[in-house]
Formats: sequence, C-alpha cells, structure tokens
Amino acid sequence: DAGITQSPRYKITETGRQVTLMCHQTWSHSYMFWYRQDLGHGLRLIYYSAAADITDKGEVPDGYVVSRSKTENFPLTLESATRSQTSVYFCASTAAGLRETQYFGPGTRLLVL
Amino acid sequence: TQLLEQSPQFLSIQEGENLTVYCNSSSVFSSLQWYRQEPGEGPVLLVTVVTGGEVKKLKRLTFQFGDARKDSSLHITAAQPGDTGLYLCAGASTASKLTFGTGTRLQVTL
Repeated sequence: DAGITQSPRYKITETGRQVTLMCHQTWSHSYMFWYRQDLGHGLRLIYYSAAADITDKGEVPDGYVVSRSKTENFPLTLESATRSQTSVYFCASTAAGLRETQYFGPGTRLLVL
Repeated sequence: TQLLEQSPQFLSIQEGENLTVYCNSSSVFSSLQWYRQEPGEGPVLLVTVVTGGEVKKLKRLTFQFGDARKDSSLHITAAQPGDTGLYLCAGASTASKLTFGTGTRLQVTL
C-alpha cells in the first residue's frame, strides 16, 4: 500500500531490552523523521535523516539509534529500554523544502515495564 | 532551542461557538504549519503559512501568520463536533525540520 507505515502498532517490553520500531514510506521522500509524543510536550524530534546513509540528532536523541540504508526505511532502535521511553512514537517523511508537508505514520504505542 | 507555546492547552466548547488558538515563539520561522491529530492517528497537515501577515482560510478555519513570523493563530467559526481533536502548530527552520508546539486539545460538544 502507498503511504507511510509503522510497525508494530503496539509494543510492551521490559526495562533493559532492545526494541526496534520500523518505518516504511513509498513516496521516495528524501527526509524522514522520528518523533515521540508525550503529554505536555507535544511532538519532540528524536532523529532525522536527509537521505540514505545521512542521519542527525534531534532534540531528544539519548538512548536511541537510527539507520537508513535504504531511502524507504528508517528504523528506530532503543538499545536498552527505560521506563522514561514509554511514549507514542511517530515516523514522518517529507520531500525536501521548507514548505513541504510532513506525512505522518499512524504511530507506535510503546510501554516499557 | 526554539520553543512554540500554544494556548489554551485545553478547550471545551459547544457546537456553534467560535474559538481562537494561539501559537507563540520568540524565534522567527521560515514558515509555520498547522496540523490536526485525531486519537490513534498521526497529525495531518491543515495549512502552511509562509509570508508575515499572511491569512489563509480553509472553510470555517482561518489561519494567520504574525507580521514578524514569530506567532500564528487559528480561528474556528461555528465549531462543529467534527472539529474535535488536537491542534498542533509547527515552525519550519532549517533542513526541513519542524519544531512543534505543545498542542491545543479541542472538544466540541452538541
């Protein structure tokens, strides 16, 4: 299907475990982003990527790792999950340009016990 | 770090009422976008404003970008239950990155 998809939609894990959230887009957008959404904080940028093999930190990168070997995929890994990483995670993509729309995936709701 | 403050945080009104949501920053943005998010879904773009002083209308929604490109407002006329959702403003700066506001949760009741 065309668009931007995320998997899994829901995930429960335990403190200390590694978790990978997947994001896939079919538009060949150059830019991709990972955000986390928490009450009172809106959406905060974790990492972003301007193209394959180019990634950079956002506002809250600690505890997260990203990679982008292919334009269409942008996985986010929590190396050792902590309770503070319980959140809803959104992936987004956009074509280059400051006026371009960011298209968001449906989100992954992560609970770290 | 650029910050965008939205007010009010929560708004509960009856159908037919008017409302305004504000988005303020001390930083200048190249453009400003407004998104709406419904429960269980990602945000969806409503509008992008680019020029200082610009006003855009989308049916009953009116968006304005401040003259100095630091603030914006969203006005809804005759709100309907279908307008219920989380409204987010987002400022664009460099590298296609957006800084999101804290959000305004709107509930419109019959």
